[in-house]
Amino acid sequence: KAGVTQTPRYLIKTRGQQVTLSCSPISGHRSVSWYQQTPGQGLQFLFEYFSETQRNKGNFPGRFSGRQFSNSRSEMNVSTLELGDSALYLCASSLETGGSNTEAFFGQGTRLTVV
Amino acid sequence: AQSVTQLGSHVSVSEGALVLLRCNYSSSVPPYLFWYVQYPNQGLQLLLKYTTGATLVKGINGFEAEFKKSETSFHLTKPSAHMSDAAEYFCAVSDRRGRASGSARQLTFGSGTQLTVLP
Repeated sequence: KAGVTQTPRYLIKTRGQQVTLSCSPISGHRSVSWYQQTPGQGLQFLFEYFSETQRNKGNFPGRFSGRQFSNSRSEMNVSTLELGDSALYLCASSLETGGSNTEAFFGQGTRLTVV
Repeated sequence: AQSVTQLGSHVSVSEGALVLLRCNYSSSVPPYLFWYVQYPNQGLQLLLKYTTGATLVKGINGFEAEFKKSETSFHLTKPSAHMSDAAEYFCAVSDRRGRASGSARQLTFGSGTQLTVLP
């Protein structure tokens, strides 16, 4: 069974540009969550999607957005990139059974560098 | 609001020695608790989780953790460290209170503990 796939693995962008990251969840998983990992702030929750609807959102500015498609694949977009957006962006998928104890499976992440 | 505190950002142990990584949480209700491991340039891998039932939880690679409600702790241990255990370890919690439409899949992570295993 294929794991969570994130593309691309590495990305270099210039300040002011926008970027789109992609996440393909494990087959059958309908919940996709996104996290930002930086040395200074650690792992922070961005948002969660379930059945194409954003179900939960972290404390990030509106420049960070996402969406989920009918096949559960998800994308996140960051507009007007800032140097501080440089981070490892992790996607996690889970099989929803109605309880928060369902395991989240993480992808390898996309390393975004803003120059 | 939930929070997680991991005591010790760096822990060094000798190969074969006991590994103890500390995690304390703050939550209005007992949350679900997780330990994840991250190797360089990789995502997170679940080591173990506590949801309900037995408070001593066994995970992969010989790790285990004990949920102590009175101490609001969920420390991770391994009796004998191996060189391959060198990695960063994260303790995480999620809200036990699910939404009507399904679970709230939001993990709150600790700041991580970098484990070094010395030969």
